[in-house]
Amino acid sequence: DSGVTQTPKHLITATGQRVTLRCSPRSGDLSVYWYQQSLDQGLQFLIQYYNGEERAKGNILERFSAQQFPDLHSELNLSSLELGDSALYFCASSARGEYEQFFGPGTRLTVL
Amino acid sequence: EDQVTQSPEALRLQEGESSSLNCSYTVSGLRGLFWYRQDPGKGPEFLFTLYSAGEEKEKERLKATLTKKESFLHITAPKPEDSATYLCAVFAGNTPLVFGKGTRLSVIA
Repeated sequence: DSGVTQTPKHLITATGQRVTLRCSPRSGDLSVYWYQQSLDQGLQFLIQYYNGEERAKGNILERFSAQQFPDLHSELNLSSLELGDSALYFCASSARGEYEQFFGPGTRLTVL
Repeated sequence: EDQVTQSPEALRLQEGESSSLNCSYTVSGLRGLFWYRQDPGKGPEFLFTLYSAGEEKEKERLKATLTKKESFLHITAPKPEDSATYLCAVFAGNTPLVFGKGTRLSVIA
């Protein structure tokens, strides 16, 4: 158990819908990262927050957004969902950028 | 652009047959190289961090080494429970971790 929690574990929804994925980092970690992993792709970095502020952005679509709250939990919002958004979404946390990241169990999103 | 290439893509071993996985990287100013293990449908599990060339880390049947251009994950006398995808990632300062696509290891009893 990495100490990072993610909810929900599974999410099934329809095209055009909007969903919110939630992540709680390990106790004391200030950085939260979001990744997408599709069957034929490796881990794709989406976005990083550090202590409530956006720190880095990767290949995140404009339909996706995220935020980190004062209690350090983070939410990833995915809107106008398409079939291609079906994937595993992972959250990770770390104490500082150069330290190892610890991953949560992931949310499996299926868009029908 | 920072790049990480892992080889082979897939590796099938007999139980007890030792081997090595390779992670080669091109990055300016490496600050750290990380190895993770990922089981199907699960989150990556942290294994090792290596910071400088010549450094080695060990954990049970796994040993990770680092040179200036690549890292190796040596698996000694593997068991079926070592079957997983092994991911390598590099950190170069202000940019996020860059992951390789992984090596899918199967250990057959």
